[in-house]
Amino acid sequence: ILNVEQSPQSLHVQEGDSTNFTCSFPSSNFYALHWYRWETAKSPEALFVMTLNGDEKKKGRISATLNTKEGYSYLYIKGSQPEDSATYLCAFRSTGRRALTFGSGTRLQVQP
Amino acid sequence: GAGVSQSPSNKVTEKGKDVELRCDPISGHTALYWYRQSLGQGLEFLIYFQGNSAPDKSGLPSDRFSAERTGGSVSTLTIQRTQQEDSAVYLCASSFSSGGAYNEQFFGPGTRLTVL
Repeated sequence: ILNVEQSPQSLHVQEGDSTNFTCSFPSSNFYALHWYRWETAKSPEALFVMTLNGDEKKKGRISATLNTKEGYSYLYIKGSQPEDSATYLCAFRSTGRRALTFGSGTRLQVQP
Repeated sequence: GAGVSQSPSNKVTEKGKDVELRCDPISGHTALYWYRQSLGQGLEFLIYFQGNSAPDKSGLPSDRFSAERTGGSVSTLTIQRTQQEDSAVYLCASSFSSGGAYNEQFFGPGTRLTVL
């Protein structure tokens, strides 16, 4: 059984605050790590797909880093806005497997 | 273009009834996945289809669950004799192919199933 953990479970921040979440995953048989944003009543939206140790990805105010040797990824949001409120999911893909194993997500609430 | 669509968006059923959930993937996507999210849980893989290959059913929780994909496009997930623990949001995703490391899965909005 693959174990993908996310922390914290939920987070409340003020508009303008910067924040970060953690995703930990197995360090063996690593193939790819996905980050998704899931807003209520919408489809999960892909943010990043990361495959290489040391990878850093950036999209606007959101960035992510990857450490495959120790099995963790960080997602950073700089200057949080109310529209960033969503659940952020990470998903691990192991070698030889097509399906993703998801963490239970970090629910972010940004107060105006 | 159109994204992944799912129907119905909400389904309320009585324990013991059968239900069918439908997924229309993005045109041209050869891989299709079903996941579900039960209350307080992460997204859980159910089944995966790739082209004409035999599906990977390793995530189906019991033999009451089955799925088919007709003509390599639309997929139906069927749950027979529903139980209360089947209540969840059922999500479908599709992708161009499933092999590459950067392969991205595109998700539908889900079907919220409630079993009374």
